[in-house]
Amino acid sequence: GAVVSQHPSRVICKSGTSVKIECRSLDFQATTMFWYRQFPKQSLMLMATSNEGSKATYEQGVEKDKFLINHASLTLSTLTVTSAHPEDSSFYICSVGQGAEGYTFGSGTRLTVV
Amino acid sequence: GENVEQHPSTLSVQEGDSAVIKCTYSDSASNYFPWYKQELGKRPQLIIDIRSNVGEKKDQRIAVTLNKTAKHFSLHITETQPEDSAVYFCAASIGGYQKVTFGTGTKLQVIP
Repeated sequence: GAVVSQHPSRVICKSGTSVKIECRSLDFQATTMFWYRQFPKQSLMLMATSNEGSKATYEQGVEKDKFLINHASLTLSTLTVTSAHPEDSSFYICSVGQGAEGYTFGSGTRLTVV
Repeated sequence: GENVEQHPSTLSVQEGDSAVIKCTYSDSASNYFPWYKQELGKRPQLIIDIRSNVGEKKDQRIAVTLNKTAKHFSLHITETQPEDSAVYFCAASIGGYQKVTFGTGTKLQVIP
């Protein structure tokens, strides 16, 4: 499967600041990437589908102005959590779909907002 | 949209026994069903998957069955070992390129 790199792995930020998370597909040109959020002891919930060269598709209930997604190239998608608050603290993880090869996940980013 | 239900939420078995986790899905268009193992703080790791053109797939101690008519699929782990202890998620998607919908997860504990 694809090699997916996600950075940073951990980040602590102050309330009100913004945090950018990068997801790179190192060996696969991904026109689509997926961003998930996982709260402790819960499942992975899809936040949005990142589309290369066009706007992301957000799931119901996810604020597009708060979670900014940019997918400017076939190998990089970024998720920016704007004006972060403690309730945004979570595990964020990206994924690349490769059809017959299935899905590969990034290593995840643990965000803590203090 | 797709809805995936998973049971049980927790499962404790003695080492060497079998473990079975069951899932149902709602969207008949779903045709790709992966199973993931996730350890605390780590990314989900694919352990086995099945596509709708087959009813069963096996890989050593792990097997998955799919009943398309009933929209059920199950994970079977035989001869469980302590290192099998983790959270397992079932999932469903269309084709492997579109978004994945995850089940709610099963915390498996294998007691030595």
